[in-house]
Amino acid sequence: RKEVEQDPGPFNVPEGATVAFNCTYSNSASQSFFWYRQDCRKEPKLLMSVYSSGNEDGRFTAQLNRASQYISLLIRDSKLSDSATYLCVVSYNTDKLIFGTGTRLQVFP
Amino acid sequence: EPEVTQTPSHQVTQMGQEVILRCVPISNHLYFYWYRQILGQKVEFLVSFYNNEISEKSEIFDDQFSVERPDGSNFTLKIRSTKLEDSAMYFCASSPNREETQYFGPGTRLLVL
Repeated sequence: RKEVEQDPGPFNVPEGATVAFNCTYSNSASQSFFWYRQDCRKEPKLLMSVYSSGNEDGRFTAQLNRASQYISLLIRDSKLSDSATYLCVVSYNTDKLIFGTGTRLQVFP
Repeated sequence: EPEVTQTPSHQVTQMGQEVILRCVPISNHLYFYWYRQILGQKVEFLVSFYNNEISEKSEIFDDQFSVERPDGSNFTLKIRSTKLEDSAMYFCASSPNREETQYFGPGTRLLVL
């Protein structure tokens, strides 16, 4: 089983739509959770950390379900500039980040 | 806003040659990392470095790889004898401490012919 699994997509949505991505992780000892964004041929950039109580940053909401080992990202009111690959990332009590393969989002006018 | 920088942006080399990829982490950061991403695949951890020594490394980081912080600002990844399968984007990252966000540089695209 992969350490971090994501639906690769692509998700093609119109501007203004709400879209949700899911991610599952295999190691129950995972302690830190993140969503990164990666534009084509660019570096990953932190979108938001994910906390147990869930957290929101503007149009973005992240949820964590430790019992099901499941993380989600909700994007409301999609913009053209949201088009990118969204990477689910976890770490345990260690230095390394473990990345999923990413979910590609394409927002069209 | 401070950022991680990497040089060169692109490198083409022949199989068997040595390459050195360079990174300048953010100045007050203490933890440094190398990751790689083969085209079309996920980002993979290679190595972490703290207090002038390797703190963790992956199975990918074999004897052909080494890291060094030769001075107070640079952090380098050396591949001694490149293989075709080393072709990838190599990202350097740094963080202020172990629990905080890792900030990634723009990457070096390595092509081994």
